[in-house]
Amino acid sequence: GAVVSQHPSWVICKSGTSVKIECRSLDFQATTMFWYRQFPKQSLMLMATSNEGSKATYEQGVEKDKFLINHASLTLSTLTVTSAHPEDSSFYICSAQNRDRAGANVLTFGAGSRLTVL
Amino acid sequence: LAKTTQPISMDSYEGQEVNITCSHNNIATNDYITWYQQFPSQGPRFIIQGYKTKVTNEVASLFIPADRKSSTLSLPRVSLSDTAVYYCLVGEATGGFKTIFGAGTRLFVKA
Repeated sequence: GAVVSQHPSWVICKSGTSVKIECRSLDFQATTMFWYRQFPKQSLMLMATSNEGSKATYEQGVEKDKFLINHASLTLSTLTVTSAHPEDSSFYICSAQNRDRAGANVLTFGAGSRLTVL
Repeated sequence: LAKTTQPISMDSYEGQEVNITCSHNNIATNDYITWYQQFPSQGPRFIIQGYKTKVTNEVASLFIPADRKSSTLSLPRVSLSDTAVYYCLVGEATGGFKTIFGAGTRLFVKA
């Protein structure tokens, strides 16, 4: 089945540094990917929609200059947390849109990346 | 986007059938209903998707009434490893599939 690889699975960084998280669709092409963040015991919060070859669409309240998204190819989207601060510590998850045999959209999720900012 | 409402939590025992109902009163004609399972510190995993009536796969069944304003995920004979959070999502399956997650249902299976 469809597989989405997310890397790194966890990262610890110092405050003020930038961190890049990669999301790859391994066996299918994904023109659309999504990025979420999730705090402990809470649901996933959609941050942005990543479209191959065009600018990402950010949800209300998400700083586009803070969370840079690049979807340069049909199999790779990256999320860069710039000038990270402790409040950016969270679990970041990506998903890629794929189609099942009936032609309906299905989302395949990455395993997530836990970011801890010291 | 259709908003979904699910019970916050449910308890069950091993071997029992568990039914989790999701309300989506403003579901649109083109919307599909998809259920995902999430374990702690992992990404959600696809369980089942349907449009109407009943869908069954190797892990679950999905029941959707004629008005499609709700759906029920049925897990037969749960085990301890089914303890997880279950999310019901509603979205257009043939076009862009922007997803807004509700709170989900935290299922706890006891021995």
